[in-house]
Amino acid sequence: EDQVTQSPEALRLQEGESSSLNCSYTVSGLRGLFWYRQDPGKGPEFLFTLYSAGEEKEKERLKATLTKKESFLHITAPKPEDSATYLCAVQATKIKAAGNKLTFGGGTRVLVKP
Amino acid sequence: DTEVTQTPKHLVMGMTNKKSLKCEQHMGHRAMYWYKQKAKKPPELMFVYSYEKLSINESVPSRFSPECPNSSLLNLHLHALQPEDSALYLCASSQDPGLEIHEQYFGPGTRLTVT
Repeated sequence: EDQVTQSPEALRLQEGESSSLNCSYTVSGLRGLFWYRQDPGKGPEFLFTLYSAGEEKEKERLKATLTKKESFLHITAPKPEDSATYLCAVQATKIKAAGNKLTFGGGTRVLVKP
Repeated sequence: DTEVTQTPKHLVMGMTNKKSLKCEQHMGHRAMYWYKQKAKKPPELMFVYSYEKLSINESVPSRFSPECPNSSLLNLHLHALQPEDSALYLCASSQDPGLEIHEQYFGPGTRLTVT
């Protein structure tokens, strides 16, 4: 069974204090790993897709990296508006011809204080 | 444009009511999804439609009935719900669910309260 674990569950940062979120996964053949940001009471917002080990992607203060067992989301010099829950999800090797199933981790709640 | 719209934003219903949640996307996506999300938990997949056909049902109780009238619309019909069904219901869509990997785009959700 595919499993995704995120750590830490919660992270409190001072504005400008860089940090990293971890997403470790166990899947039967990784096809893609996704990072989403979710604000309270809203739908997840797509951030990145990573396909293979060694891949990196950046967007503003966020940088996502991927190894064979885990992914990291680095937040550089965060601002209060970066406060959100960050979700990691994986898509494993397709078994059926139709349908794309994501397995989500539990999320990391990030609070950036000014 | 990567917008998925959902109506209503909030819904309060009694356990004997029948109501429907609606989702719409105009990105030409051919896969659409319903998720349920409880507070401080990740989204849980309920249903997947691929080319307007139900392709995944995650053993969801029959009081939830999905419908995909066309490639842009997805409905979730609700009947005889229980208080524990109160949650944020999210709709998502993605491109052609073939061999390529495509990200899912989520709507803002419908906050459902069952009294």
